[in-house]
Amino acid sequence: NAGVTQTPKFQVLKTGQSMTLQCAQDMNHNSMYWYRQDPGMGLRLIYYSASEGTTDKGEVPNGYNVSRLNKREFSLRLESAAPSQTSVYFCASSATPRDTQYFGPGTRLTVL
Amino acid sequence: QQPVQSPQAVILREGEDAVINCSSSKALYSVHWYRQKHGEAPVFLMILLKGGEQKGHEKISASFNEKKQQSSLYLTASQLSYSGTYFCGTDPPGGGADGLTFGKGTHLIIQP
Repeated sequence: NAGVTQTPKFQVLKTGQSMTLQCAQDMNHNSMYWYRQDPGMGLRLIYYSASEGTTDKGEVPNGYNVSRLNKREFSLRLESAAPSQTSVYFCASSATPRDTQYFGPGTRLTVL
Repeated sequence: QQPVQSPQAVILREGEDAVINCSSSKALYSVHWYRQKHGEAPVFLMILLKGGEQKGHEKISASFNEKKQQSSLYLTASQLSYSGTYFCGTDPPGGGADGLTFGKGTHLIIQP
């Protein structure tokens, strides 16, 4: 039982490049989330998926897109990376939106 | 709306006690507490539900004052392993598809 997994763990991009962050959970959770964490800012919600087949914007969605591929997988795409997107990205899942969230190990992204 | 945590940071000697507070401007159904060690993902500690039910960690306790819309996390006889950043996540009575709303965190440093 791996919980929530994320790939890659580290990534360096040049401005304008694109990439997709992958997230998968094996807990049969309905809800999944993408956060970014910057020093002093706490966890800020980028996008979420309350259930399979639905996605919606969170607090800071600009510059990102998501895909809920199936119940297990929720990916985050940066179409044209900018230095302001340098951050640590966490994926999380929960049984329902009201339940405890379980976090993946994070992806440390640097955009030059 | 984001809950407010206090203090922002605290430094203790091993064996001392600490209290971390989480306040919301909205009514709360539940409060979730997490701890994040440097370079790692947030890890669930405890959930407090409206009505007084508490679930979670053995050696750390918490309270939930529904009238004041506040929760406090109590760490007694602190150990070096308690160091990290503590986040509260709040859930309003009506719930929301976007899950919990997290505070900015309280940094706890335990010195030998």
